[in-house]
Amino acid sequence: GAVVSQHPSWVICKSGTSVKIECRSLDFQATTMFWYRQFPKQSLMLMATSNEGSKATYEQGVEKDKFLINHASLTLSTLTVTSAHPEDSSFYICSADPSGVYYGYTFGSGTRLTVV
Amino acid sequence: GENVEQHPSTLSVQEGDSAVIKCTYSDSASNYFPWYKQELGKRPQLIIDIRSNVGEKKDQRIAVTLNKTAKHFSLHITETQPEDSAVYFCAASKDYGQNFVFGPGTRLSVLP
Repeated sequence: GAVVSQHPSWVICKSGTSVKIECRSLDFQATTMFWYRQFPKQSLMLMATSNEGSKATYEQGVEKDKFLINHASLTLSTLTVTSAHPEDSSFYICSADPSGVYYGYTFGSGTRLTVV
Repeated sequence: GENVEQHPSTLSVQEGDSAVIKCTYSDSASNYFPWYKQELGKRPQLIIDIRSNVGEKKDQRIAVTLNKTAKHFSLHITETQPEDSAVYFCAASKDYGQNFVFGPGTRLSVLP
């Protein structure tokens, strides 16, 4: 079945540093990928829509300069948390649609970011 | 924009009993309603979905019903098993699956 791979699965970084999270579609091409943030015991909040070859579309309230998204190929999207702070600590999950017709999104395994 | 509410937030049932989780949505233009199951520390997994042109869909022990007039949809799990214990999220979207809005989640515990 369709697989979305996300790395790293967890990362601890110091305040002020940047962290890059990768989301790869392993057996399909994804022109669109989505990045979500999930706080403990809470739902998934869409952060941005990542479009291959063009700029990402950010949801209201999400800082573009803080969360840099790059979708350079049909199988890879990256989220870079720049100048991370403890409040950025969260669970970040990407998703993509293997069918290309927007049904049945597959999620990545998630990345738990802890900023100390 | 779309707003999705989900109830209950927690649900405990005895093994073998049924569980029902209800969601309401606000945007009448929404046309796709998936349900995701998220086990502790794992990614959400799509378990069933329904589109606006269908009123009910069933897959073994899981069923989903949709009432477009009332703008609510429900997940039904019959003959629950301990492995059904997880957090369940409903979602709604228009544009055929883009721009999902998730409900807050329901933590289901199936007691042996």
